[in-house]
This record gives sequence, C-alpha cells and structure tokens, in this order.
Amino acid sequence: AQSVSQHNHHVILSEAASLELGCNYSYGGTVNLFWYVQYPGQHLQLLLKYFSGDPLVKGIKGFEAEFIKSKFSFNLRKPSVQWSDTAEYFCAVNEDPLSGGYNKLIFGAGTRLAVHP
Amino acid sequence: GAVVSQHPSRVICKSGTSVKIECRSLDFQATTMFWYRQFPKKSLMLMATSNEGSKATYEQGVEKDKFLINHASLTLSTLTVTSAHPEDSSFYICSARDRPTANEQFFGPGTRLTVL
Repeated sequence: AQSVSQHNHHVILSEAASLELGCNYSYGGTVNLFWYVQYPGQHLQLLLKYFSGDPLVKGIKGFEAEFIKSKFSFNLRKPSVQWSDTAEYFCAVNEDPLSGGYNKLIFGAGTRLAVHP
Repeated sequence: GAVVSQHPSRVICKSGTSVKIECRSLDFQATTMFWYRQFPKKSLMLMATSNEGSKATYEQGVEKDKFLINHASLTLSTLTVTSAHPEDSSFYICSARDRPTANEQFFGPGTRLTVL
C-alpha cells in the first residue's frame, strides 16, 4: 500500500535559518507529489506540486522541492525562513490517474514548524 | 478560481443527534469530491470518495451507515454524521477535483465538529 513518511514531526528554527523538510513515499509507479501548508486556524493551501518535467519545483512564498525518483523523495526547502512560515506542512502523494493509478491523495503525518524571531 | 467552500465552519451538537456538513465547489463542476478527517495534531485521513450521481466509496474502517455521503449535483456534496458521539468530534475537510483525471484537489476550509 502507498505510504508517505515525513521524518521531522517538529522543527524549531530561528528566522533566516534554512529549512529542509523530508518526505519519502512508497510506490513504484508514476506519482504526483504535493506539499501543502496549514497556517494556524486556516485551511490547507497548496505550496507546490510536481507532476512531470523539471524535478526541481518552485512554489509560492520562496519554497521549492526536489523530486529524486531514485530515492522516492520530495523534500521541501526554503533558504531563509520567516516568522510567518510558522505552520504545519504536509507532503502528499497520489498515483497518476493518467497512468492508470487510483487518484487517492495520501498524506504524510505532517511537520509542525515553529520559527522564532 | 477553484474555490471550495464548506458549511458550517463550526458546529456543536448533542450526542445522538445528526449533523450535516456541506461542501460546494463555487466556480467549477466537481465530478469527484473527497471527505477527510483530521484529528488534533494528526494528518488528514481520507474517509470516502464521492462521485456525482453514484454511491460513495468508503475507505477501510469508515462506517458508511454512520457517515452518509451524498453527491447529488456537480457542485455539492454532503456528509451527514448520524447519531453523533463525542469520539466523532473532529475537523472534517472536503476537497474536489474538476475532472476524473485531474491530478490536483482543491480543499475546503474545513468544519470543526464538537459533539457534547
């Protein structure tokens, strides 16, 4: 069965520090990959997504993620975090429906990021 | 574009009553909608997939008689929690996609249910 692992459950950083959140998935077929953010008291928002093409994906608010197929990974990065990045971050994967996959989005457990001024 | 709304945003009910939560796609037709449950400090768990005009597909362990899903139109799906118990208290989130092969889902703001 498909699964998504986020290795860091809680991350605490100071402003301007660099961020990398790990995400690994288990599925051998063609996948689509997503990172969502949930700010305190708000709903899920899409940060970035990878369907195909350049494995380095740039999203909103300075975030980027790199898809490394050989490692089944899709780590999220930001060179310099801000206090406003404090939120919970979810990695998600689905099987590409155009490749015959079942389009069910599987979420990782989430990483709670706290950025201190 | 691609806005999904949910109503109500919060609901408090007594144990034993039923609660209906609506999920609407505001600017697109959603052939498929998904219902998730998010426990405190936990991730989202898919409860069921709702296809317009047909029965919902429930995930393993989700009681279909307790969580009734109706997707009667291309812009509206409803989740009814029947005979609610305190353990049903949770954050319920819906999402929608605009075509069967669409890769992306658009999420609603969620509904916080508290059962007393």
